[in-house]
Amino acid sequence: KQEVTQIPAALSVPEGENLVLNCSFTDSAIYNLQWFRQDPGKGLTSLLLIQSSQREQTSGRLNASLDKSSGRSTLYIAASQPGDSATYLCAVLLQNSNSGYALNFGKGTSLLVTP
Amino acid sequence: NAGVTQTPKFQVLKTGQSMTLQCAQDMNHEYMSWYRQDPGMGLRLIHYSVGAGITDQGEVPNGYNVSRSTTEDFPLRLLSAAPSQTSVYFCASSSGGQPQHFGDGTRLSIL
Repeated sequence: KQEVTQIPAALSVPEGENLVLNCSFTDSAIYNLQWFRQDPGKGLTSLLLIQSSQREQTSGRLNASLDKSSGRSTLYIAASQPGDSATYLCAVLLQNSNSGYALNFGKGTSLLVTP
Repeated sequence: NAGVTQTPKFQVLKTGQSMTLQCAQDMNHEYMSWYRQDPGMGLRLIHYSVGAGITDQGEVPNGYNVSRSTTEDFPLRLLSAAPSQTSVYFCASSSGGQPQHFGDGTRLSIL
């Protein structure tokens, strides 16, 4: 079974700092990896999707990298803002999933950006 | 653009009651799925469907039924609610391996 681990579980940083969230997975035979944001009491919002053949994806202040061989992905947030406070979830889709396109989720990193 | 719509947003049930959580998507996605999210457990797959008329079990299917009579709708039925089913339920849809879209969730409490 694919295990997805996110470190740290919680993170508090002052506004303006650059930060890195980590995600590791045990099965490198992935189809893609997706980063989500979840605000308290809300659903999941897709931030970035990296296909297995890609090394990174960028959207605004967000950059996600993928090293499939080592089973790692990082989400880099530049110049953090209080509005970035949320839980960030990493999820992988296996190449040979027996559950269609079901995602395997990490437990998330809870980020607090203080003014 | 409605995306994925879940109803109700909140529900309180008594043990033994039954209910249906509704999920509808307007993006013509063939793949739909149900997850539950519990503190410390992350999101776990309950059931999924790869198209109308086709459903299958995920990681934690016991106590839940699903059906997929149309592409748009994928309801989740609790047959006899138990306190262990207290959770937040999310419905998701996608087209193949493309980014998955999630609803806002249904917060369910079983007393």
